Amino acid sequence: QVQLVQSGAEVKKPGASVKVSCKASGYTFTSYGISWVRQAPGQGLEWMGWISAYNGNTNYAQKLQGRVTMTTDTSTSTAYMELRSLRSDDTAVYYCALAVAGTAVDYWGQGTLVTVSS
Amino acid sequence: EIVLTQSPGTLSLSPGERATLSCRASQSVSSSYLAWYQQKPGQAPRLLIYGASSRATGIPDRFSGSGSGTDFTLTISRLEPEDFAVYYCQQYGSSPYSFTFGPGTKVDIK
Repeated sequence: QVQLVQSGAEVKKPGASVKVSCKASGYTFTSYGISWVRQAPGQGLEWMGWISAYNGNTNYAQKLQGRVTMTTDTSTSTAYMELRSLRSDDTAVYYCALAVAGTAVDYWGQGTLVTVSS
Repeated sequence: EIVLTQSPGTLSLSPGERATLSCRASQSVSSSYLAWYQQKPGQAPRLLIYGASSRATGIPDRFSGSGSGTDFTLTISRLEPEDFAVYYCQQYGSSPYSFTFGPGTKVDIK
C-alpha cells in the first residue's frame, strides 16, 4: 500500500531554514511527482509546489519562488522540501502529497509541524 | 489565476440531515479537474470526489458531487456523526501540476 512518511516536528527561529523529508513506499517512486501543501493553524490548504520524481522538474507557487527548493533522492524514494528565510507566518503543518492521476491528491503524508518563533 | 469561493463558511446541521456545500470558481473549470476533500482535526485531508462527480475509493455513496463550469456542489445525503468536518474544493492546473484550494466549509453539529 502507498505510504508517505514525513520527518518530525521542527522549531526554527526567524531567518533560519527548514528541510522536511517525505519517504515514499508502496509504488514506483519515479512514476509520479510529489506535491507539497501547507496549512497554517486554523487556516486552509495552500499548494506550495510540485517536483517530478522522474527528472526533478519543479513548479513552485509564485509567492514562494526564491525561498523554496524541492528535491528528490531516488535511491531512497525520498522527497525533500526546503524553505529558507523563515518568518512567523511560515508556521504551519507541511504535507507531502501524491496525485496518481495528476488532478487530485490520493495520498497524503501525516504532516510535519514547523513552528517559527524567536 | 482561478480563485475558488466556498459557501457557506459554516453549516450547522443535525445527524440525518442533508448537507449541500457550494464551490464557485472565478472562471470556468474543467469538470475533470474539480475535487473535494474532507478534513478532520489533526488529520490530513481525505479525497472524497474527483472529476467533479466520481467518488474516490472507499467513499460512501451518501457523498455525491455535481456541477460544471463555475458552479460545483458537494452533497451529503444523510449526515452521519463522522461527517462533521471541514470540506475543501480543489481545482487542478492553473499552472502545470498545481492545485488551488477553496477556503473550506465547516459542517458542525447543530
